[in-house]
Amino acid sequence: NAGVTQTPKFRVLKTGQSMTLLCAQDMNHEYMYWYRQDPGMGLRLIHYSVGEGTTAKGEVPDGYNVSRLKKQNFLLGLESAAPSQTSVYFCASRNSGGVWEQLFGPGTRLTVL
Amino acid sequence: GENVEQHPSTLSVQEGDSAVIKCTYSDSASNYFPWYKQELGKRPQLIIDIRSNVGEKKDQRIAVTLNKTAKHFSLHITETQPEDSAVYFCAALPSGTYKYIFGTGTRLKVLA
Repeated sequence: NAGVTQTPKFRVLKTGQSMTLLCAQDMNHEYMYWYRQDPGMGLRLIHYSVGEGTTAKGEVPDGYNVSRLKKQNFLLGLESAAPSQTSVYFCASRNSGGVWEQLFGPGTRLTVL
Repeated sequence: GENVEQHPSTLSVQEGDSAVIKCTYSDSASNYFPWYKQELGKRPQLIIDIRSNVGEKKDQRIAVTLNKTAKHFSLHITETQPEDSAVYFCAALPSGTYKYIFGTGTRLKVLA
């Protein structure tokens, strides 16, 4: 049981490049989330999904797209990276029903030059 | 909109002393309140949580109290140790929603 995993761990992009961050969970969780955390700051929700094939906007969705084609995977895409997107990205998941515990992945550190 | 205020932003205590971090939430419909510990360069990890039908919960040296009337909840760490040094985040989950509202974090430093 690997929990929540994220790929890649680190990435450096140039302005205007695109990339996809992958989040995978093997706990059969219904809900998945993408957050960003800037240095010395809290967690801000980018997008989330409440089930396979569904996505919804969070607090800071601009510049990002997401897809949940498979229940276990949640992809975060940057179509045209900007320096303001330099951050640590955390994925999280939780089960549905009466279980509210949210588990986080190890994070992806992204630098946009 | 929903908001969670967390205080203090930084806290320094001597090893062995107690530490208390407080959070206030705005949405009275919130019914779940987790606390996360984040060490430098690591992921947030759930350390304790409480549901709205409970007033207090303990787990060894840590405890959480909830005052629904005042809409605030607190994290208490007793007999602090250097390894308790980290950033702590509180959060609230409003009933019927999927989105957690996070506080801005408290940097705890335990001085040996």
